[in-house]
Amino acid sequence: EDKVVQSPLSLVVHEGDTVTLNCSYEVTNFRSLLWYKQEKKAPTFLFMLTSSGIEKKSGRLSSILDKKELFSILNITATQTGDSAIYLCAVEAGTYKYIFGTGTRLKVLA
Amino acid sequence: NAGVMQNPRHLVRRRGQEARLRCSPMKGHSHVYWYRQLPEEGLKFMVYLQKENIIDESGMPKERFSAEFPKEGPSILRIQQVVRGDSAAYFCASSSRQGTNEKLFFGSGTQLSVL
Repeated sequence: EDKVVQSPLSLVVHEGDTVTLNCSYEVTNFRSLLWYKQEKKAPTFLFMLTSSGIEKKSGRLSSILDKKELFSILNITATQTGDSAIYLCAVEAGTYKYIFGTGTRLKVLA
Repeated sequence: NAGVMQNPRHLVRRRGQEARLRCSPMKGHSHVYWYRQLPEEGLKFMVYLQKENIIDESGMPKERFSAEFPKEGPSILRIQQVVRGDSAAYFCASSSRQGTNEKLFFGSGTQLSVL
């Protein structure tokens, strides 16, 4: 059965800290891996990764994929309170099939 | 606003009533997905539809739940005879085409509370 596992489940840090969120997967037909940020409403798209070793970067956020070891990490540097959210990892496992992990709840304290 | 629109944002129903959740995809999108989210859990796939077709409803309970995406108008997720266990956030997402490397755009969700 296809599955996506995120760790840690929750994380509390102080402003300015750097965090690393993990996403591992086991799917039969990998196509892409996506990261979303969910605050109190709609999950918003952060990154899509398809190739190993190529870092995607947007401001203080960056992500990379390892297709050999079947995982991805999402890094957030110099965290701010506005980074507090649930971070969701999803894997596109075949046509139209997106499998989501349970998410990592990040809380950044001022 | 050309984003995915869901309504209502909050819906309260008593046990046994019907709940209708609506989703208008992004302009130009013809693929709609419905997901359910419980507290402390991720998004669970329910159903995938294209215009006038249900492509995959494997994540949807066979009883009481149905979905449609008519040629005109929004996609509807219908829950008949709701029970307390149906209380959850229901999210709709859309994409422009079926295929590889296509990201999903999400609506703000409908929070269903069953009393």
